[in-house]
Amino acid sequence: GAVVSQHPSWVICKSGTSVKIECRSLDFQATTMFWYRQFPKQSLMLMATSNEGSKATYEQGVEKDKFLINHASLTLSTLTVTSAHPEDSSFYICSATTSNGRAGGNEQFFGPGTRLTVL
Amino acid sequence: QKEVEQNSGPLSVPEGAIASLNCTYSDRGSQSFFWYRQYSGKSPELIMFIYSNGDKEDGRFTAQLNKASQYVSLLIRDSQPSDSATYLCAVNGGDMRFGAGTRLTVKP
Repeated sequence: GAVVSQHPSWVICKSGTSVKIECRSLDFQATTMFWYRQFPKQSLMLMATSNEGSKATYEQGVEKDKFLINHASLTLSTLTVTSAHPEDSSFYICSATTSNGRAGGNEQFFGPGTRLTVL
Repeated sequence: QKEVEQNSGPLSVPEGAIASLNCTYSDRGSQSFFWYRQYSGKSPELIMFIYSNGDKEDGRFTAQLNKASQYVSLLIRDSQPSDSATYLCAVNGGDMRFGAGTRLTVKP
């Protein structure tokens, strides 16, 4: 149980284009979803937290107009990187929490990640 | 600023040895503590979680928590080459904060 999927698993795009990444909880309803970015050999960096039906809460330094998050349902959140540039190339990972997890809702279940390369 | 600190490593141990991974945190109000394993190029996967002071064992893994010292550790017994990965400590005190991770290498 508690499987999170992401699509696409990798994407290559030209500079200036927008890219949408989907995060889905497959077998549970996610109370909260999180978006992380990870550069090579660096730690996870939380970008934003989103709850279904409400605006995402962005971490300091993350441009909300550049990284658009939509959390339309309890099983789907999307991250759109608008006008992507080479410096946006990174590994984007989503996670979700559920009250049905082993740790009573506190642990995060991670998706497999999306590797974005902007040329 | 809520901080979660880990030694970045790399930590190298021989196969069969005990690997000890350490983590300290700054937020005294933290209630739940997690260890994730992340293989290169993959996303993190949960190994252990612990809420109470003391030890919690799960197979070859033991999590240790000392809230007074704001310290949580992960012991891996009988380390295997397949345990080679980056181990992330995460602390939840209202929001989840991750450490930078410790890279572990288990040599055959």
